[in-house]
Amino acid sequence: DTGVSQDPRHKITKRGQNVTFRCDPISEHNRLYWYRQTLGQGPEFLTYFQNEAQLEKSRLLSDRFSAERPKGSFSTLEIQRTEQGDSAMYLCASSSTSGIQETQYFGPGTRLLVL
Amino acid sequence: LAKTTQPISMDSYEGQEVNITCSHNNIATNDYITWYQQFPSQGPRFIIQGYKTKVTNEVASLFIPADRKSSTLSLPRVSLSDTAVYYCLVGELNTGFQKLVFGTGTRLLVSP
Repeated sequence: DTGVSQDPRHKITKRGQNVTFRCDPISEHNRLYWYRQTLGQGPEFLTYFQNEAQLEKSRLLSDRFSAERPKGSFSTLEIQRTEQGDSAMYLCASSSTSGIQETQYFGPGTRLLVL
Repeated sequence: LAKTTQPISMDSYEGQEVNITCSHNNIATNDYITWYQQFPSQGPRFIIQGYKTKVTNEVASLFIPADRKSSTLSLPRVSLSDTAVYYCLVGELNTGFQKLVFGTGTRLLVSP
């Protein structure tokens, strides 16, 4: 399967702990996105990478959140000092810059539960 | 980017054709339309994308009238496995990146 993969698929943690999620995009895709989705809502944009450069961050991304994409391949999203309000599905998507219409392909997501 | 409006929910039966209409009254000349499907606890899955007229692929058709202020996703002969949330989004051509703006989508329930 050459789609977007995310690890872990589920994470349960206690409030105050740090968590890190990984996303492996489709191999030839140079754009990578992180979204967050809470129950009953559509996904919300968090941040965007073009290759290794983080070019856009949502105001939803507080200073407890940090994302990296070293070498322009996989990406990690870290949440420090987790809070119960961080409980959500974290989705990664990737796309390429070829073509004038962009299509983002999503991974299966990481579901986070903060107790 | 243009805001989209969709019905909150729709019901259908197996074997029927389902049409979900999305309104995007403020769509700009440089905007295109994309539809995603999402099952519970999974990431959104790309269904179809178009700019004008009609686009068809192996799973759906997308009808876009000349004024482009709305679009209709058509699912032929739905099955129980088509029960999902469907999102309509508007994107901008030839930009640096697409910050997709999802609404709450349309919850389609297919019954036997």
